[in-house]
Amino acid sequence: GAVVSQHPSWVICKSGTSVKIECRSLDFQATTMFWYRQFPKQSLMLMATSNEGSKATYEQGVEKDKFLINHASLTLSTLTVTSAHPEDSSFYICSAPGRTEPYEQYFGPGTRLTVT
Amino acid sequence: GNSVTQMEGPVTLSEEAFLTINCTYTATGYPSLFWYVQYPGEGLQLLLKATKADDKGSNKGFEATYRKETTSFHLEKGSVQVSDSAVYFCACGDFGNEKLTFGTGTRLTIIP
Repeated sequence: GAVVSQHPSWVICKSGTSVKIECRSLDFQATTMFWYRQFPKQSLMLMATSNEGSKATYEQGVEKDKFLINHASLTLSTLTVTSAHPEDSSFYICSAPGRTEPYEQYFGPGTRLTVT
Repeated sequence: GNSVTQMEGPVTLSEEAFLTINCTYTATGYPSLFWYVQYPGEGLQLLLKATKADDKGSNKGFEATYRKETTSFHLEKGSVQVSDSAVYFCACGDFGNEKLTFGTGTRLTIIP
């Protein structure tokens, strides 16, 4: 089946620094990828849609200058949390849709970000 | 846009109990419906899906039937096991749209 990886699986950074999270589709190409944030009570919030070769589409309320998304190739999307603050600490998950209807999502294992 | 409402939880059951996790959706068209499961320490994975009214998705003893008249897709299992402890997400997606709308998730704990 389709596999999506994320790197790193966890990261600790200091307040004010930037952190980059990678999302890769390992055995398929993905022109679209999705970035989610998962909160402690498990709810999943869609942050943005990453589009290969064009700008990301952000959901309402998500700061595009803070969460920079780059879809550099058909197998790689990156999320950079800029000038991180403790409130950005969270679990970030990416996914890529399958190629046929219905478009089930293949999820990465997630990245735990802790900002100190 | 679409929305999904599911049972809040947490839900705690004894092993071999019957499970129902309610899910209802709001959509303008005829969406596909999904249940995803997130086991402890793992990423979300597809559990089952249904693409049209009256379809029944099933996997690992879980079932859900696409009920258009009640806009529901309730997840059921006749006899749960400790290994079913996980967070379950209901989701819907429009035809031709790769984006899915997720419910808030229901944490299920099965005690031996």
